[in-house]
Amino acid sequence: SAVISQKPSRDICQRGTSLTIQCQVDSQVTMMFWYRQQPGQSLTLIATANQGSEATYESGFVIDKFPISRPNLTFSTLTVSNMSPEDSSIYLCSATRVTGNTIYFGEGSWLTVV
Amino acid sequence: GIQVEQSPPDLILQEGANSTLRCNFSDSVNNLQWFHQNPWGQLINLFYIPSGTKQNGRLSATTVATERYSLLYISSSQTTDSGVYFCAVDAGGTSYGKLTFGQGTILTVHP
Repeated sequence: SAVISQKPSRDICQRGTSLTIQCQVDSQVTMMFWYRQQPGQSLTLIATANQGSEATYESGFVIDKFPISRPNLTFSTLTVSNMSPEDSSIYLCSATRVTGNTIYFGEGSWLTVV
Repeated sequence: GIQVEQSPPDLILQEGANSTLRCNFSDSVNNLQWFHQNPWGQLINLFYIPSGTKQNGRLSATTVATERYSLLYISSSQTTDSGVYFCAVDAGGTSYGKLTFGQGTILTVHP
């Protein structure tokens, strides 16, 4: 299995501020993704993190609000910009490996906006 | 896109009981995975099972791709099995890796 590390694991943020979440994978991966899980809800895909180019966003998510970088094969960041209480969620990074089809998830970053 | 429905939404068991969770999906899938989310939010991969049957200890899963459903069996449940169980699928092709999640089954196991 792949080990995916995220940080921070948990944070309390002031509204109007921005926070960057980091995702590091321990082995070569092909694709990386970011998901959001609002309180009591299921997971929703935010975007595909593309290496060296702009991320591909799903409907309802925009780059100005969720800028994403992926400077190399094993590292990506998600920034939640100009946060409001509605952004309080768990944000999870996932990755697919070079071999095999199983998709792995990081431990999640639990953000609370006050 | 693919729709994923899970049932039941909530399940309460006594320790030692068996249970079956169901996942229905609306179209052909390339990938189907079952996850367990613990109270700390961590998503643990249980099975990669786009078709066939697999077993891992007290857990087993079966996917009948032609009928578009998957079942997760938990036998001799323990309190540590509590949490949310998610089924997630992708359609492959340009959607490879882009998982669509069901709404989950909240399992509570009492001692």
